[in-house]
Amino acid sequence: DIQMTQSPSSLSASVGDTVTITCRASHSITSHLNWYQQKPGKAPNLLIYGASTLQSGVPSRFSGSVSGTDFTLTISSLQPEDFATYFCQQSYSSPRTFGQGTTVEIK
Amino acid sequence: QVQLQESGPGLVTPSETLSLTCTVSGGSISSYYWSWIRQPPGKGLEWIGYIHHSGSTKYNPSLKSRVSVSVDTSKNQFSLKLSSVTAADTAVYYCARHGNSGSYSWFDPWGQGTLVTVSS
Repeated sequence: DIQMTQSPSSLSASVGDTVTITCRASHSITSHLNWYQQKPGKAPNLLIYGASTLQSGVPSRFSGSVSGTDFTLTISSLQPEDFATYFCQQSYSSPRTFGQGTTVEIK
Repeated sequence: QVQLQESGPGLVTPSETLSLTCTVSGGSISSYYWSWIRQPPGKGLEWIGYIHHSGSTKYNPSLKSRVSVSVDTSKNQFSLKLSSVTAADTAVYYCARHGNSGSYSWFDPWGQGTLVTVSS
């Protein structure tokens, strides 16, 4: 199985900040990486697929990038509705696997 | 707009079989892959397995010996059975549709999730 390691596990930030979340794959997954946002009591919501393609309807302050096996989710100008938990997920091979999540909390 | 809704018992006795159904509305179950994913309380996400509308399946090896996913295209539903459950199977269970573009795939949309507790 491909292991996905996310960091940090949590972070505190203020409205307007730029935050960066990293996900590292244990093997090459090229750009087969998705990002999801999950709010308490809700299902995950797709933000980005293919490492950097924004899902329709997702604000442009969200962006994704890749360098080798390291993937980054950046949220520019954090908004109140962005405080949530974020998961990465690889779609390169089966079984599909997720990172353990990063919770973005209000400072 | 496609919507998914999980249904089934919220409480299952240890060693018994967990059974859930996902009903797809607003679109056809045909021409897509459909997955089950679970999330233990306060923890991360685990992919359980998927089914194609044709009936082909693939399961997570960690659960393969206990999992079965089936589809009923006439009812626009697919189902999950997980046998010999223990407390470790307590989780919110989600159903989700696979989206894809070229070689890329993702889970979207998801059902709202249903909490299944394994306890006597």
